[in-house]
Amino acid sequence: DAGVIQSPRHEVTEMGQEVTLRCKPISGHDYLFWYRQTMMRGLELLIYFNNNVPIDDSGMPEDRFSAKMPNASFSTLKIQPSEPRDSAVYFCASSKRGGYQPQHFGDGTRLSIL
Amino acid sequence: QKEVEQNSGPLSVPEGAIASLNCTYSDRVSQSFFWYRQYSGKSPELIMSIYSNGDKEDGRFTAQLNKASQYVSLLIRDSQPSDSATYLCAVGAGGTSYGKLTFGQGTILTVHP
Repeated sequence: DAGVIQSPRHEVTEMGQEVTLRCKPISGHDYLFWYRQTMMRGLELLIYFNNNVPIDDSGMPEDRFSAKMPNASFSTLKIQPSEPRDSAVYFCASSKRGGYQPQHFGDGTRLSIL
Repeated sequence: QKEVEQNSGPLSVPEGAIASLNCTYSDRVSQSFFWYRQYSGKSPELIMSIYSNGDKEDGRFTAQLNKASQYVSLLIRDSQPSDSATYLCAVGAGGTSYGKLTFGQGTILTVHP
């Protein structure tokens, strides 16, 4: 079975540019999570969806960040405008039945904002 | 106060020894607990899940849960250099936050030959 698929794997862009990260969850999973990982702050939950509906976006750092899930097989995380402090690895994960089932992570997107 | 705390590392053990990783959590209504392994430059990979008090064994890995003490641990027997990684403890939220996992900061394990 295909795992969580994220694209792109690496993104390097200049400050001020719009960045769009993409995620395809595992088929049949009804929860989708976006995380950010840095050395300083560890793994942080940004936002999560249940059945395509955002449930908790309290981890989204600023209005520059937005996330959508237009259907069960696709989600995007957008940063506009991007800043150097947004540089991190962004992971998407999915699960069945939320907290009672483990989350499965994609390979991540390594984002560098110059 | 952090919601999920792991024993501070890094932890270094010789090959063949038992590595013990510990985690405490603050949410008393938590019902699900997970251990993830993350190699450098890779994504977190699930290695164990536990839901009931007691021990759960899977090969060289044993997870232990004590809900009364709000404590979960991971033992790795016969440690191998390939076990060298960061281990993340994750706790499933209860109540209105159902669906979320809260991760600890991770413990770096090094197994030296």
